[in-house]
Amino acid sequence: SAVISQKPSRDICQRGTSLTIQCQVDSQVTMMFWYRQQPGQSLTLIATANQGSEATYESGFVIDKFPISRPNLTFSTLTVSNMSPEDSSIYLCSVGNRDYEQYFGPGTRLTVT
Amino acid sequence: GDSVTQMEGPVTLSEEAFLTINCTYTATGYPSLFWYVQYPGEGLQLLLKATKADDKGSNKGFEATYRKETTSFHLEKGSVQVSDSAVYFCALSLANAGGTSYGKLTFGQGTILTVHP
Repeated sequence: SAVISQKPSRDICQRGTSLTIQCQVDSQVTMMFWYRQQPGQSLTLIATANQGSEATYESGFVIDKFPISRPNLTFSTLTVSNMSPEDSSIYLCSVGNRDYEQYFGPGTRLTVT
Repeated sequence: GDSVTQMEGPVTLSEEAFLTINCTYTATGYPSLFWYVQYPGEGLQLLLKATKADDKGSNKGFEATYRKETTSFHLEKGSVQVSDSAVYFCALSLANAGGTSYGKLTFGQGTILTVHP
């Protein structure tokens, strides 16, 4: 399985500001995914990030609010823009493999005040 | 759309008790099914999986069988331990047209399991 790291591990931000979360994988992967886990709730997919192309966003998530970059096969970033307290969540990246499995990073715990 | 429904929790058991966490799904195709576990203070880990009907996934004493006729993937363990206390998520993934799944995961709502000594 891939080893995935995320930065920062946690942050406290003021409303109206933006935060960029980094996801680094120790091997080359085709697809990466970004999920949100709101307090006490399940995981919801934000978008699928393909290297060299635009990310594919799920219903309810838009590029202006959650811009994603995927410059190479081992790295991706998710930006949470113009934050509000409702954006307080854990944000997780994951990678998929050909055995139908996904492996998750440790998550970034974001608190917006 | 595709969805996963887990039994409502939380679930509280005594050590060595039998565990069942129910999971049913709705999908337009033939999904792969997963159980993920999130231990306190840790990230999400893949516990077990099954990729086709009648497959049984197993790991760490946990088992789940892919039942196409009942669209279910219930998680079981014969004797739970305190260290099994965690949040358990059932999830599905649909293969793309080529049959190789890089597909997104759709999660159930999660079930909190607490095991007392």
